Amino acid sequence: DGGITQSPKYLFRKEGQNVTLSCEQNLNHDAMYWYRQDPGQGLRLIYYSQIVNDFQKGDIAEGYSVSREKKESFPLTVTSAQKNPTAFYLCASSPDGDEAFFGQGTRLTVV
Amino acid sequence: AQKITQTQPGMFVQEKEAVTLDCTYDTSDPSYGLFWYKQPSSGEMIFLIYQGSYDQQNATEGRYSLNFQKARKSANLVISASQLGDSAMYFCAMRGSPGTASKLTFGTGTRLQVTL
Repeated sequence: DGGITQSPKYLFRKEGQNVTLSCEQNLNHDAMYWYRQDPGQGLRLIYYSQIVNDFQKGDIAEGYSVSREKKESFPLTVTSAQKNPTAFYLCASSPDGDEAFFGQGTRLTVV
Repeated sequence: AQKITQTQPGMFVQEKEAVTLDCTYDTSDPSYGLFWYKQPSSGEMIFLIYQGSYDQQNATEGRYSLNFQKARKSANLVISASQLGDSAMYFCAMRGSPGTASKLTFGTGTRLQVTL
């Protein structure tokens, strides 16, 4: 099946830890995106990548890092510098800037 | 810079009635694309409809239509014959020039509740 897979679905992080959220797509899309969603709010763009080995900061990149070593993969690391990481994280991919296809999301909680 | 504004935090509609969800936008791009997504309580984002800024006709997809008024910079979603399964969050989104892998900006969403 073609699609976008995010893992894990639920993730718990201790204070001061870095955690990495996985996003894999087999749709052969060039563009990939990471969004953060807080309760009752819209999606805010963290990072996006238009091509392998290239990515740009979105609106709320501080405390996050990404890599794009393969077309299929765009992992997001939430670093200890992110002071309020508890949120729902959505990954998306897009063919040539058309509609974005989303994964199921990862719910991150700081414990 | 792109900006999407959804001024209705919540809306109620009776089953089988039509409902309009408002969306206004601002951009300096000469061409752009507008999208609507549905987010049920499960959290997944479901693509509903797309409108390109140079499209001559308003987009339609089944019970969904997009009322695009370019001069007013509005792209309202109309859902006809509402169903209980339409209850969800609805997001309006925009990206820059079509055909380019550009950032996709979302509004804050409207929660739609369909009642019997």
